[in-house]
Amino acid sequence: DTAVSQTPKYLVTQMGNDKSIKCEQNLGHDTMYWYKQDSKKFLKIMFSYNNKELIINETVPNRFSPKSPDKAHLNLHINSLELGDSAVYFCASSLGGTNTGELFFGEGSRLTVL
Amino acid sequence: GNSVTQMEGPVTLSEEAFLTINCTYTATGYPSLFWYVQYPGEGLQLLLKATKADDKGSNKGFEATYRKETTSFHLEKGSVQVSDSAVYFCALINNNDMRFGAGTRLTVKP
Repeated sequence: DTAVSQTPKYLVTQMGNDKSIKCEQNLGHDTMYWYKQDSKKFLKIMFSYNNKELIINETVPNRFSPKSPDKAHLNLHINSLELGDSAVYFCASSLGGTNTGELFFGEGSRLTVL
Repeated sequence: GNSVTQMEGPVTLSEEAFLTINCTYTATGYPSLFWYVQYPGEGLQLLLKATKADDKGSNKGFEATYRKETTSFHLEKGSVQVSDSAVYFCALINNNDMRFGAGTRLTVKP
């Protein structure tokens, strides 16, 4: 069983479209994250949820909206896609809470906006 | 705030060479420190960690020591292999806030 799974793995779409990426973890972790990795491999946190509650919301355009229906799922919806949104998006989870957490990452979802 | 700075790459080494990738951090309190590795086409995976000052994390021949006095967590390996070619990320977690360095690409040539 994959610990952190995200779908789709590849997504190619046109500017202006709306798309979603789904993430699920079966590790029983309390905290989930979305990270964006650009073409230079720089990894930037976007959001973090702890038990379905938003705890980190970095400076991300309002077009990005996370949704956590339960603590095992954290989906990312993107409205009005722009060229600059092209990147690999990684979902991750951790036990969270204390400073001893370690992250488990999904395999990434490569988004290409044309 | 919390942040991590690591040496810029890319780093290219011959097989069996010694590796050092520098990492320093800024944080309030007592963060835990990590090194993650990303192989081509994959997500990041934990390589090693240290949770308090003077702890040494080690795995697969890699080591890093948590130095609070120099706020550093440098990654070392005595003899690299071609299979170590990947991007390495230094990271910290502090009060549920996880921060990554910019990543250092390592290429090991036969």
